[in-house]
Amino acid sequence: DIVLTQTPLSLSVTPGQAASISCKSSQRLLHSDGRTYLYWYLQKPGQSPQLLIYEVSSRFSGVPDRFSGSGSGTDFTLRISRVEADDAGVYYCMQGKNLPPYTFGQGTKLEI
Amino acid sequence: EVQLVQSGAEVKKSGESLTISCKASGYLFDTYWITWVRQMPGKRLEWMGMIDPNDSNRKYSPSFNGHVSISADRSVSTVYLQWSSLRASDTAMYYCARVAGLYKYCTDGLCSLSGGYFDTWGQGTPVTVSS
Repeated sequence: DIVLTQTPLSLSVTPGQAASISCKSSQRLLHSDGRTYLYWYLQKPGQSPQLLIYEVSSRFSGVPDRFSGSGSGTDFTLRISRVEADDAGVYYCMQGKNLPPYTFGQGTKLEI
Repeated sequence: EVQLVQSGAEVKKSGESLTISCKASGYLFDTYWITWVRQMPGKRLEWMGMIDPNDSNRKYSPSFNGHVSISADRSVSTVYLQWSSLRASDTAMYYCARVAGLYKYCTDGLCSLSGGYFDTWGQGTPVTVSS
């Protein structure tokens, strides 16, 4: 299975500051179809996860443009340009290159 | 509005059977796979498996294959997750989610799936299993 490793595991930032989370894959996530199947989710305290980014850098509907995804190959990054209090929670990366299975990173807890 | 509504909390004993449900609304049920994700207390998300309600084609994680079963009832737009014999280690929150952006590739009659993001999630079903 593809293993995803996130760093850092926890992060504390002040509102208005930027934050970055790294996700490194044990295998390249570029599929032969030309797409890269790396996704980002946020799980706010006491809530279900919610989709932020799909296929590395596409923002899901309703996601503020403060959130951006980048990367290629095995190295990916989620960046929040100006953190707000409502951004607190655990961020997960997920891969879907060759199914099954999907695999998730271990999560990064963002404290504001 | 697309919604997935899950059944309520369950408290069971080891060895008992259990079925939890996930009812979909707001879209054509047959046109999206539904997946199940486990979250043990304080732990990461774990993908369990998924089903295509159109033809009940299923994919399971090797970690869960043989221990759980996923099924769908198109007549009530509902997907189920079943255990025939629970273990204490099954204590967790279980989420269903709709799978979008899934691609299917077929070569010489053999098909594979890639991609797919979970765009709508249920509220979660907490399951507690005592030994």
